[in-house]
Amino acid sequence: DVKVTQSSRYLVKRTGEKVFLECVQDMDHENMFWYRQDPGLGLRLIYFSYDVKMKEKGDIPEGYSVSREKKERFSLILESASTNQTSMYLCASRGGQGGSPLHFGNGTRLTVT
Amino acid sequence: TQLLEQSPQFLSIQEGENLTVYCNSSSVFSSLQWYRQEPGEGPVLLVTVVTGGEVKKLKRLTFQFGDARKDSSLHITAAQPGDTGLYLCAGIETGANNLFFGTGTRLTVIP
Repeated sequence: DVKVTQSSRYLVKRTGEKVFLECVQDMDHENMFWYRQDPGLGLRLIYFSYDVKMKEKGDIPEGYSVSREKKERFSLILESASTNQTSMYLCASRGGQGGSPLHFGNGTRLTVT
Repeated sequence: TQLLEQSPQFLSIQEGENLTVYCNSSSVFSSLQWYRQEPGEGPVLLVTVVTGGEVKKLKRLTFQFGDARKDSSLHITAAQPGDTGLYLCAGIETGANNLFFGTGTRLTVIP
């Protein structure tokens, strides 16, 4: 089974702090994704990566950046956290293209105060 | 603008009842997936449909892809408390490579 591990289940940070959310997958998947999940809005794509050192903006990249130095690890960075970034963050990986399933981690609930 | 609208947003039913969740869009999708998310966990894939009019069954769950590949439905027969969760549809637009997720339907099945 694919395992996607997010390093923290809960995080509380202060406005203006730099925040790192880490995600590791163990199935050698090329594709990795970061989503945020908010009630009534479903999942919205922040950034994704098709290969090491490659990154692409998703639908809501503002205020975020990412890093993919190794194939198995995809990090989401909040350069200066703001209260409107309080949310559930979900990392996912995918082995193939398009219609292949996404495998999700259990999420990181971030609160910015 | 939300690409995929799900209805209803919330649904609370008694054990044994039937229910249908809808996923609608004005866009055409090359394929559509349904996920279920339980509290404290990430979404897990239930099914992928790729052909207009396709019907897939997964035990008591029946998934249908619209003929025009713009909409889908999920029907649950004789709901059980274990069906409780957030149901998400997700589609890939023709020619694209990333999933767009629906707004979600939160189902509660009361014993």
